Amino acid sequence: KNEVEQSPQNLTAQEGEFITINCSYSVGISALHWLQQHPGGGIVSLFMLSSGKKKHGRLIATINIQEKHSSLHITASHPRDSAVYICAVIYGGTSYGKLTFGQGTILTVHP
Amino acid sequence: EPEVTQTPSHQVTQMGQEVILRCVPISNHLYFYWYRQILGQKVEFLVSFYNNEISEKSEIFDDQFSVERPDGSNFTLKIRSTKLEDSAMYFCASIGQGNGYTFGSGTRLTVV
Repeated sequence: KNEVEQSPQNLTAQEGEFITINCSYSVGISALHWLQQHPGGGIVSLFMLSSGKKKHGRLIATINIQEKHSSLHITASHPRDSAVYICAVIYGGTSYGKLTFGQGTILTVHP
Repeated sequence: EPEVTQTPSHQVTQMGQEVILRCVPISNHLYFYWYRQILGQKVEFLVSFYNNEISEKSEIFDDQFSVERPDGSNFTLKIRSTKLEDSAMYFCASIGQGNGYTFGSGTRLTVV
């Protein structure tokens, strides 16, 4: 069964720290998504990656296709970054397929 | 920015009752999905819908569930004869050409 594994499951940081969340998957994918879920439950898409690196503000996402691994970095973390960060992939050849989700990383940033 | 709209935000229903969860996807999107998240668990795929028919469904999506796009804009998930274990957050999502996923804010279904 194709799985998506994230680490760590829980992450606590002090404001200003550099944060890395990791994601690994089992077989070839067409796309990988990093998502953010706030306590109210809503899900927001942060990045969609199929190769290389993307940056948006303080967030950076990278993917290594050969190693089947992706990382989400947050620079200069802030308490408002506290949320669940979820990695999800589309297995197979089309970028319109269903998402297979990781279990999420609970990030808490303290002032 | 275009949004996927879900209603209601919270629904409480008696076990055995039917519920309809509603979604209005982004207007020029072509692919539509329902996912659910049981409290404390991963988000799970239920069903995908393209060109007015189901393109893929999971093992969870049995005869109790159905989807429709009745009027070309709304996209509904019907759950017949709800069970306690159907209590979850249900997310609608859509994708357009060259775009990533856009999720709705979810419907929290509580079966009592």
